Amino acid sequence: DQQVKQNSPSLSVQEGRISILNCDYTNSMFDYFLWYKKYPAEGPTFLISISSIKDKNEDGRFTVFLNKSAKHLSLHIVPSQPGDSAVYFCAASEFNAGKSTFGDGTTLTVKP
Amino acid sequence: EPEVTQTPSHQVTQMGQEVILRCVPISNHLYFYWYRQILGQKVEFLVSFYNNEISEKSEIFDDQFSVERPDGSNFTLKIRSTKLEDSAMYFCASSGSLAGASDTGELFFGEGSRLTVL
Repeated sequence: DQQVKQNSPSLSVQEGRISILNCDYTNSMFDYFLWYKKYPAEGPTFLISISSIKDKNEDGRFTVFLNKSAKHLSLHIVPSQPGDSAVYFCAASEFNAGKSTFGDGTTLTVKP
Repeated sequence: EPEVTQTPSHQVTQMGQEVILRCVPISNHLYFYWYRQILGQKVEFLVSFYNNEISEKSEIFDDQFSVERPDGSNFTLKIRSTKLEDSAMYFCASSGSLAGASDTGELFFGEGSRLTVL
């Protein structure tokens, strides 16, 4: 049972345009959602998060949107830069749980 | 900037051998985790650790696995008798609060230890 799903394994966008990465979840007990970025040969690094009481959180070029009724969240990157090229993981946690559940990841390629 | 460090970066071992992967979490963090990523697959939770005991573990974390915090700085993952399917990148992570605690529950990951079982 895959509780966190990223249905697009890859995404390619032009520099300066918007990148939209999507994530769906099935567990209604998830309370906290995070996006991590991962470069090859490195560990994931935290990017942005959102709690279930919010529907939007913004940090510079990165915005995460949460639609609880649809059990869907998305990460918007505007404008996209070549340095954003990486694998992006969506993750979710239940309140004060001891773990985060990760999606399969989406490989973003930003072309100059 | 504080970071999580892991050793070794790559270990090759024979099937059936014991392996110990080491991690130094961020010094003021209280929660510690091991995740793994089999090549081309998702990042999978193995175990979380707090106050010198396991908080939660996954189905993957069977009797072949154990974790320990032998001193005030190290956090280790031991695999007693490695199998071919244990080949993966193992990530240690730490956090200042429990995963799922709003605003501060993000994990800080190390660069990983690649385990190859032959």
